Formats: sequence, structure tokens, C-alpha cells
Amino acid sequence: AQSVTQLDSHVSVSEGTPVLLRCNYSSSYSPSLFWYVQHPNKGLQLLLKYTSAATLVKGINGFEAEFKKSETSFHLTKPSAHMSDAAEYFCVVTCYGNNRLAFGKGNQVVVIP
Amino acid sequence: SAVISQKPSRDICQRGTSLTIQCQVDSQVTMMFWYRQQPGQSLTLIATANQGSEATYESGFVIDKFPISRPNLTFSTLTVSNLSPEDSSIYLCSVKNTGELFFGEGSRLTVL
Repeated sequence: AQSVTQLDSHVSVSEGTPVLLRCNYSSSYSPSLFWYVQHPNKGLQLLLKYTSAATLVKGINGFEAEFKKSETSFHLTKPSAHMSDAAEYFCVVTCYGNNRLAFGKGNQVVVIP
Repeated sequence: SAVISQKPSRDICQRGTSLTIQCQVDSQVTMMFWYRQQPGQSLTLIATANQGSEATYESGFVIDKFPISRPNLTFSTLTVSNLSPEDSSIYLCSVKNTGELFFGEGSRLTVL
């Protein structure tokens, strides 16, 4: 079965500084990996996804993530945080041919002006 | 893409009652899922709603507590039965379309 570990349940960043959210996964087969963002009182929105193509994936709102098989990681980054980035971020893994998703516990990001 | 509408967006219910949540999708989809997000927690899959057959429940979730209907390829309901305060959560409908998962905005349930 697949699983996801997201450390640092709460992350504070200053506006204009880089954002780094760590995600490590466990998967028996070739994984597909996703980052979702959830703003307060809103549904989950897909930021980006990795599905065995390029290992560096660019998403919406300036976010990107790099798939590193040797490290079983899929960390999310953004060069410069914006106030609108304040939200909860979930790393998600699924396996080829498997519709089950494993969600990480999430990172609550606070952006300090 | 897929646009998902969930109703109600929030509700407050008395213990012992039931709440039915509706999920409407703007296109026909094969896979529909129901998730629960308890306060301060991540999402947990309750069940996969199968059109024309009984839902497939995850470990720890049973049909008597969470009956699900899926009458067609664009609509599903989740009922949370015999409510207790522990059922206070956000319940989210999700669909898989063209390899991507889409989520509704959730139904926030508070049980008094």
C-alpha cells in the first residue's frame, strides 16, 4: 500500500521568501504524485502532478516540484511566497492501475507580511 | 476538467438524526469517491460510489452508517446516519476524470 509523509504540519514564511514543503512517499509500484491546495472553506485544487514524465514538474501559481526516486521525495517549492499562498497543502500518491489515493497530513502555510 | 457541486455546503444537526449530502458533476464520470476530513486531519477515503452497484467501502466504514447512492454517472449521495458529535467533519465528493482527481468544495457537518 502507498503512503505519504509530510513533516512540519505548520509552516510560516515571510512574503517574498522561498517556500519549501517536504513530501516523502512509499509505494510498491510506479507512483503518480500530486500536490493539492485547499484554501479556507474551499475545495481542493490541483497544483501539479507527476505521472512518469519529466521529473521536474511545474504547476500553477509559480509552484514546482521535483520527483526524486532515489530519495522517494516530491518536495514542493516556490521561489517567492505571496500572501495568497496561505492555505493548506496536501501531498498525494497513487499507484499505476490503482484508484486509491494516500493523502499526507497536510502543511498549513502561513505567510507573514 | 469536471465541476462538482455539493449540497449542503454546511449544516448543523442533532445527534441521532441523519444528513444526506448530494454531489452533482457537470459531466459523466466513471469513478466517484467520498472522503471525510476530520478537524485538523487529512482526507480519508470513505467509499467508492459505483454506478449500478453497491458502493465499495474502505476499512472502518460500513454501509449502515454511510449509505451511498449512485443512480447515474453524474450524481451521488452520501448519507451519514445516526449522527454523533464524532461525525463532525467535512465530507468531500471527488471524481476521477482524464487521470485527474477533482473535488467538490465540501460539506461541513457539525453535530450537536
